[in-house]
Amino acid sequence: GAVVSQHPSWVICKSGTSVKIECRSLDFQATTMFWYRQFPKQSLMLMATSNEGSKATYEQGVEKDKFLINHASLTLSTLTVTSAHPEDSSFYICSAKDPGGSPDEQFFGPGTRLTVL
Amino acid sequence: GENVEQHPSTLSVQEGDSAVIKCTYSDSASNYFPWYKQELGKGPQLIIDIRSNVGEKKDQRIAVTLNKTAKHFSLHITETQPEDSAVYFCAASFSGSARQLTFGSGTQLTVLP
Repeated sequence: GAVVSQHPSWVICKSGTSVKIECRSLDFQATTMFWYRQFPKQSLMLMATSNEGSKATYEQGVEKDKFLINHASLTLSTLTVTSAHPEDSSFYICSAKDPGGSPDEQFFGPGTRLTVL
Repeated sequence: GENVEQHPSTLSVQEGDSAVIKCTYSDSASNYFPWYKQELGKGPQLIIDIRSNVGEKKDQRIAVTLNKTAKHFSLHITETQPEDSAVYFCAASFSGSARQLTFGSGTQLTVLP
């Protein structure tokens, strides 16, 4: 099956700094990727939809200037958390769609645990 | 927008017994219903999915049923094993421009040996 990786798997940063998380589709080209945030013992909440070569579409309540998304190639999308604060600590998960497969199925990455001190 | 409700939030069963998790959705336009298993500290893994033109789908010990009229779908796991212990999420999507998924709140399944 299609494989999605994320890097790093975990990161600890100081308040006020920026952190970049990478999401890669390893064996397919993904025109659409999604970014989710998951707080402890809660569900996945969609943050934004990332389309290769165009601006990301953010969900209501998600600050686009704080969570910068770049989908510069068909295999890589990045999420940058700018001026991170402790309340941004969460599990960030990306997913990708394989244009050659089912139009509905999303393949999820392993997640990135962000801790802001 | 779509709203997906999932019950129960926690479920404990004895090894070998069956487990059933139920979800309801609000948007009658939704036509794709996947189920995911998430282990601690990992991303979700698709275990089974169903589309609105099908009422039931089975894959070994796992089955999903869909009632479009009532707008609910259920996950059935038979002959549960300790390794089935995890958090399970249902989700729904419709054939919109991006087919975004809306997730249920999750069910913590514990299979007792």
